[in-house]
Amino acid sequence: DAKTTQPTSMDCAEGRAANLPCNHSTISGNEYVYWYRQIHSQGPQYIIHGLKNNETNEMASLIITEDRKSSTLILPHATLRDTAVYYCIVRVNNGNNRLAFGKGNQVVVIP
Amino acid sequence: EPEVTQTPSHQVTQMGQEVILRCVPISNHLYFYWYRQILGQKVEFLVSFYNNEISEKSEIFDDQFSVERPDGSNFTLKIRSTKLEDSAMYFCASRGTGALNGYTFGSGTRLTVV
Repeated sequence: DAKTTQPTSMDCAEGRAANLPCNHSTISGNEYVYWYRQIHSQGPQYIIHGLKNNETNEMASLIITEDRKSSTLILPHATLRDTAVYYCIVRVNNGNNRLAFGKGNQVVVIP
Repeated sequence: EPEVTQTPSHQVTQMGQEVILRCVPISNHLYFYWYRQILGQKVEFLVSFYNNEISEKSEIFDDQFSVERPDGSNFTLKIRSTKLEDSAMYFCASRGTGALNGYTFGSGTRLTVV
């Protein structure tokens, strides 16, 4: 699986949009971009994933650049409960494949 | 919303003892996984399981570890002779087929080896 690069940590203001960047310059054509988050000591939680097109669900939006070398996860109105470690993972969308977690981005939402 | 259920939430065991961690994956999922997270460290892949057999395992998953799906609903991780360094959160996950499915993780079992 391609490697990803994320900030180690970032702060976001409550009520504002939180934009979480991820670089994946070595992504290959059949690899998807997945986002998960882990709220303290809980199991990782699936947020969203995409291949080429931008995606939106009830939790977040995923913006993938045209060259697919980077992406941004957008939490439209950050709340205190969004404080978590956010993981950007790229992998082939094969059911057998493992998810390889990096260190992630510790996002703290500040009141 | 369907959940992956793990029991127990916390297990304390003596070094050298066997432990079995239990998971009930989402009922129509076909792919099952165990991950672990040592305190303060990354979430690490242990093993994946599909069609009643191990499909992939990491270097962590040595002969002390085994997995089983004994009755078609439960998915268990057994550690035969626990070591102090096995102390960690153990997460079970399951996944359905199709491009739209992400992994669903359980809330974990905190294993403490003393």
